[in-house]
Amino acid sequence: KNEVEQSPQNLTAQEGEFITINCSYSVGISALHWLQQHPGGGIVSLFMLSSGKKKHGRLIATINIQEKHSSLHITASHPRDSAVYICAAPSGSARQLTFGSGTQLTVLP
Amino acid sequence: DGGITQSPKYLFRKEGQNVTLSCEQNLNHDAMYWYRQDPGQGLRLIYYSQIVNDFQKGDIAEGYSVSREKKESFPLTVTSAQKNPTAFYLCASSEQVGTEAFFGQGTRLTVV
Repeated sequence: KNEVEQSPQNLTAQEGEFITINCSYSVGISALHWLQQHPGGGIVSLFMLSSGKKKHGRLIATINIQEKHSSLHITASHPRDSAVYICAAPSGSARQLTFGSGTQLTVLP
Repeated sequence: DGGITQSPKYLFRKEGQNVTLSCEQNLNHDAMYWYRQDPGQGLRLIYYSQIVNDFQKGDIAEGYSVSREKKESFPLTVTSAQKNPTAFYLCASSEQVGTEAFFGQGTRLTVV
């Protein structure tokens, strides 16, 4: 069983819609990462959070440590938000990252 | 600008040949990582290094080798022993293992 689970796997939205991507993890963690991968393959770190909520522009990430659950929200979605969104959590003896399988988001104009 | 540079972006090799992927960072990070990504799958850890002259196997290290002779460099060699080397390879670094990671743009390796 993957220690980090994401849902949905694929998500298609109309421009302007509010989007939520979910991440559940089974390991005890100190922080959770949200990453964005564009079609070319490069990955950008969006957030690293250990409690509560973080906001950057139209992106909001929340985490509930007790429930081992995190969400990434995108407000007023735009076609340029189309990408794969990945959550990752440190695990293992050396706390290296374990990744979810990603959510492919497509925002239609 | 600080960041991670992977080269080349695309790489083609014949089956049976070893190939080395380059990863350089100027972020002064201690930890560096190599991941492999296959279509529809999450990133899987190949090797990681917590500090210069030290590295550890990840989940899928068989058929790969690394070195960490300098803090800023962590090259990955895909050997002929790797049964299915065609994949997208990503390098990353962080101040320490488990802290925020910064990724390179990746190298897409195709073995024919």
